[in-house]
Amino acid sequence: EPEVTQTPSHQVTQMGQEVILRCVPISNHLYFYWYRQILGQKVEFLVSFYNNEISEKSEIFDDQFSVERPDGSNFTLKIRSTKLEDSAMYFCASSEAYTGELFFGEGSRLTVL
Amino acid sequence: GESVGLHLPTLSVQEGDNSIINCAYSNSASDYFIWYKQESGKGPQFIIDIRSNMDKRQGQRVTVLLNKTVKHLSLQIAATQPGDSAVYFCAENIAGNTPLVFGKGTRLSVIA
Repeated sequence: EPEVTQTPSHQVTQMGQEVILRCVPISNHLYFYWYRQILGQKVEFLVSFYNNEISEKSEIFDDQFSVERPDGSNFTLKIRSTKLEDSAMYFCASSEAYTGELFFGEGSRLTVL
Repeated sequence: GESVGLHLPTLSVQEGDNSIINCAYSNSASDYFIWYKQESGKGPQFIIDIRSNMDKRQGQRVTVLLNKTVKHLSLQIAATQPGDSAVYFCAENIAGNTPLVFGKGTRLSVIA
């Protein structure tokens, strides 16, 4: 069964450092998303991406965040200068239709020290 | 403000009993709803969805009920098993228009 894969599974970084989280969406999906989940809290929307551009973004997705699809398979989330409050699980998701059933990856846990 | 919420943060049930997990939503324009299951350390996994033109939808051991009058969504799990222990999230959106918004989640614990 096709699945969304994410790397790394866990990254520890120092505050102020840049982090890149990587995702390989399901191959025939056209819509891609990043969500985050702070420990014990709900899953929060960050950004959606289609046709090489951002479709929507939340207020969490400020200038420190960016997304890119550098090639035909990867979808990345970059945090330029990490803050302590960026510590969370970051989930990538993809879908065939915009905001239809989303298929999520296993997540990347980011710990900012 | 938050458009999706939950009545109970935790639910404990005996193995074999039926479970009912509730969700309230506030956006009357939402027309698509999904229940996700999240096991510890994993990403949300799709369980079942329902569109606003339906009141009920059944899957394998799961049923979703939608009451648009009171903006309430529920997930019923029949014959709950230990493997059902997880956090369950409802999510909503206006299909094709807005991002999927998740509620806070209910932790289901199955007692053997």
